[in-house]
Amino acid sequence: GNSVTQMEGPVTLSEEAFLTINCTYTATGYPSLFWYVQYPGEGLQLLLKATKADDKGSNKGFEATYRKETTSFHLEKGSVQVSDSAVYFCVSSGSARQLTFGSGTQLTVLP
Amino acid sequence: DAGVTQSPTHLIKTRGQQVTLRCSPKSGHDTVSWYQQALGQGPQFIFQYYEEEERQRGNFPDRFSGHQFPNYSSELNVNALELDDSALYLCASSLGAGTSRLNEQFFGPGTRLTVL
Repeated sequence: GNSVTQMEGPVTLSEEAFLTINCTYTATGYPSLFWYVQYPGEGLQLLLKATKADDKGSNKGFEATYRKETTSFHLEKGSVQVSDSAVYFCVSSGSARQLTFGSGTQLTVLP
Repeated sequence: DAGVTQSPTHLIKTRGQQVTLRCSPKSGHDTVSWYQQALGQGPQFIFQYYEEEERQRGNFPDRFSGHQFPNYSSELNVNALELDDSALYLCASSLGAGTSRLNEQFFGPGTRLTVL
């Protein structure tokens, strides 16, 4: 079955620092890939997605590129803000439509 | 437009009891999926309902069962509760499980179940 491995946290950065959260996946076939975010006290929200190899998903300054050759979907942001503090989940979805989540990475951004 | 709603918000039960959690999907959505999120972990897929039938199931025992109603709302039932069932239960809705299109899943705020 599908599985997702993401960088363990917690990650603590200063405001305006560069962010990378690593994510790799294993899957049968070519899954769609997502990053979901869980802000404190809020529900899970889709941050960005990519449905095929070499697609780049982007939203709110975050980017991730679907790399088939390295089975990776790393999340990046050039300059993080305090408001980006949240838990980030790398997620895959195959033809069965069920979402497979990584274990989550807690990000704290300090002013 | 109301998003995905879940009830109750919190629930405390004792071992061996049974529990029912409820979910109303986002307007226009016909597919409901349930996930279990243990503390500090990512959500784990339980099952998915479409056209009032269970279409996909994750690695959960038969104690976990569900139902979907004609208005697309759904229930998750857990029998013979165990301590390890303590978790946040998330409902997600989407459109078109019966089509070839992959659609975004929208999540509700969850029900926090504590088993004592």
